[in-house]
Amino acid sequence: AQRVTQPEKLLSVFKGAPVELKCNYSYSGSPELFWYVQYSRQRLQLLLRHISRESIKGFTADLNKGETSFHLKKPFAQEEDSAMYYCALTFFSGGYNKLIFGAGTRLAVHP
Amino acid sequence: GAGVSQTPSNKVTEKGKYVELRCDPISGHTALYWYRQSLGQGPEFLIYFQGTGAADDSGLPNDRFFAVRPEGSVSTLKIQRTERGDSAVYLCASSSRQGILPGELFFGEGSRLTVL
Repeated sequence: AQRVTQPEKLLSVFKGAPVELKCNYSYSGSPELFWYVQYSRQRLQLLLRHISRESIKGFTADLNKGETSFHLKKPFAQEEDSAMYYCALTFFSGGYNKLIFGAGTRLAVHP
Repeated sequence: GAGVSQTPSNKVTEKGKYVELRCDPISGHTALYWYRQSLGQGPEFLIYFQGTGAADDSGLPNDRFFAVRPEGSVSTLKIQRTERGDSAVYLCASSSRQGILPGELFFGEGSRLTVL
């Protein structure tokens, strides 16, 4: 069955430190993976997607099919990065693209 | 409107009551999703609409939950005989099948349901 696992509920770092939010997935087909972010009192929104190979707000994520991982990284964390981060997997099922989420990791960046 | 709109933002009800949650998607978006987010969890898929029809309702937890989208725009999630375990934030999201990569959903702010 398809699954997304985020092993850390909370990641606490100091400003300027590197950040890595872990995400592992389970899917037998060719995965399409995303990171969504929810800042305090804001709605859930797309941060980045692996097929675009983009860097958004200094964050990058590389799909590693061998390790079935899609970890989110940023070399120097900023206080404004504090938020809930959700890894998500989309797969084709029943004629449409279904999106499932991991449980999320709260990133807290301290001054 | 500019984004997905959900009402009410907060709903407190008593066990056994009936509740309706409304979602107004982005204009022109044909796909609409409902998710439920319990405390400390990620969004959990409930139901997906493409146009007026429910293409996938496999995530609805039981027959007390029902959703409609009669004109292919606004959707209503209906919960009968509410239970305390139904307490959660109910999220609605929409997307356009044209020109949008799969998985890019636009979310509303959610309806927080509390069942006493």
